[in-house]
Amino acid sequence: QQPVQSPQAVILREGEDAVINCSSSKALYSVHWYRQKHGEAPVFLMILLKGGEQKGHEKISASFNEKKQQSSLYLTASQLSYSGTYFCGTGNNFNKFYFGSGTKLNVKP
Amino acid sequence: DTEVTQTPKHLVMGMTNKKSLKCEQHMGHRAMYWYKQKAKKPPELMFVYSYEKLSINESVPSRFSPECPNSSLLNLHLHALQPEDSALYLCASSRGGDEQFFGPGTRLTVL
Repeated sequence: QQPVQSPQAVILREGEDAVINCSSSKALYSVHWYRQKHGEAPVFLMILLKGGEQKGHEKISASFNEKKQQSSLYLTASQLSYSGTYFCGTGNNFNKFYFGSGTKLNVKP
Repeated sequence: DTEVTQTPKHLVMGMTNKKSLKCEQHMGHRAMYWYKQKAKKPPELMFVYSYEKLSINESVPSRFSPECPNSSLLNLHLHALQPEDSALYLCASSRGGDEQFFGPGTRLTVL
């Protein structure tokens, strides 16, 4: 039931762009995105509640394709502070929640 | 106050010990969660409390016993743990199925 993310890891130079994909074998009713820095707790980035929805948060945005059971996170003009592990997450009702497999992002100067 | 606090930050215990992890939030959230996270892995859901009642138990061994004394507090009682239970234990809260706020976690080592 855990969503699968790709790529598993990515290395960027500052200013470069990246896309992280999240897909599920089961229907996605909503998709969350979190970032976790080493030794810290996950921090919420955004939530997409319905198919076709797109959201932006400064230079980080996401889309949700409900039919394809996929979501993508777009990181534009990456900064050093973007480094960390990105998780998508999905819940099919009020309580159950599953994190994706994770994508480790390393932004270098 | 948008903070979730967890105590202790670190815990080392033997396999015969009994200990408890504590989590607290004052955001009025009605859902509270326990997750277990091993190194380089995503957090795994253990338990969910909704309106102070246990609503989800993801087949967690009985050596882990959750408790929700009131709407702001969540405990995880530990007894007879195994070395493979060593992990980061994260607490989170949310209004419902939306954004989850995470505490800093308790890093548990079982000897």
